[in-house]
Amino acid sequence: DAGVIQSPRHEVTEMGQEVTLRCKPISGHDYLFWYRQTMMRGLELLIYFNNNVPIDDSGMPEDRFSAKMPNASFSTLKIQPSEPRDSAVYFCASSRTREEAFFGQGTRLTVV
Amino acid sequence: SQELEQSPQSLIVQEGKNLTINCTSSKTLYGLYWYKQKYGEGLIFLMMLQKGGEEKSHEKITAKLDEKKQQSSLHITASQPSHAGIYLCGCTSGTYKYIFGTGTRLKVLA
Repeated sequence: DAGVIQSPRHEVTEMGQEVTLRCKPISGHDYLFWYRQTMMRGLELLIYFNNNVPIDDSGMPEDRFSAKMPNASFSTLKIQPSEPRDSAVYFCASSRTREEAFFGQGTRLTVV
Repeated sequence: SQELEQSPQSLIVQEGKNLTINCTSSKTLYGLYWYKQKYGEGLIFLMMLQKGGEEKSHEKITAKLDEKKQQSSLHITASQPSHAGIYLCGCTSGTYKYIFGTGTRLKVLA
């Protein structure tokens, strides 16, 4: 398996623009997690899904953030409108129940 | 909600020295995971501990979960520059909510 695949690897956008981050989990994994990593706050869990259903989105910072998982092989994290404080590295991870999570390489988002 | 705190926050050691990183949980741990992250890259799984008193090793890295299952330690023997990076402990709680500690940045001087 190719592992968790995220795209794009880097994204630079202007404040106010919509940003969509994409994730393809490992086949057969029933959990998918979205994280945000910054120097100040470390690795924060934003939202996670089980069998494509959102279980806990309490980490989503604002209504500007939304995430979907239309099927078992694809998820998106959308920020609309984006702000400079959203600049961070966003990670997607997937796992089977009670096993370790596998991480993608991350998307480095810069909002100018 | 459960929280994980790591210490120290950062560590600089001379090559060949031993070091220990600690991870303390605010609640009982039912699964404790150690990951390593190289700067600018994703997290790489190192090992998982589930039972109180359990100890696992991978090459020169050893991790242990204490009997009360609220603290874990990661020990590196004879550190090398390749050990440099960020070490994070993680755990699952409740409805399998996968959270991580604050991270420890390790630098190994050659």
